[in-house]
Amino acid sequence: ILNVEQSPQSLHVQEGDSTNFTCSFPSSNFYALHWYRWETAKSPEALFVMTLNGDEKKKGRISATLNTKEGYSYLYIKGSQPEDSATYLCAFDTGGFKTIFGAGTRLFVKA
Amino acid sequence: DADVTQTPRNRITKTGKRIMLECSQTKGHDRMYWYRQDPGLGLRLIYYSFDVKDINKGEISDGYSVSRQAQAKFSLSLESAIPNQTALYFCATSDRAGKTYGEQFFGPGTRLTVL
Repeated sequence: ILNVEQSPQSLHVQEGDSTNFTCSFPSSNFYALHWYRWETAKSPEALFVMTLNGDEKKKGRISATLNTKEGYSYLYIKGSQPEDSATYLCAFDTGGFKTIFGAGTRLFVKA
Repeated sequence: DADVTQTPRNRITKTGKRIMLECSQTKGHDRMYWYRQDPGLGLRLIYYSFDVKDINKGEISDGYSVSRQAQAKFSLSLESAIPNQTALYFCATSDRAGKTYGEQFFGPGTRLTVL
């Protein structure tokens, strides 16, 4: 059974704090790892797709790293802002039909 | 206009009723998916379709059926709704394998409540 775990389940930080969360996935049959950002009352939107061990991606204050050998990816947010409040989903893709989503990390940033 | 649309956006129905949720996309993608989301759980795949003649069950297909009427349209039916099908339902699309590495594009979701 393929399982994708995200931790923590939720996180409360103050504006300006930097934060990070983890996505753990199987270390076999890896094709891609996706990060999505899901704001309340909206639909999930892609942040990053990561395909190679050691990949690092960055978009503004948000960055992500990938370790396919040990099966984890970290998402970092530097200097959190209230508009970063959202649920961050990771999805493990085996390249077939199978994309397994984690339950998400819900981030609350207080002004 | 949104690339992936879902109708209705909200629906309240009673146990035993037949319900259809519709999804349309203008992205030109071959692949379409239906997911449900429950609090504390990830998105779970109900059905997926890789082209008009291809329909496949996902991990939680019992109690659901789908129809791929055209490349752009994929509908999900609940033949006889039950309360534990109360959830948020998402339609998604993706391009063929090897392009964009399976990145999915989501509709706005349909919140379904079964009383």
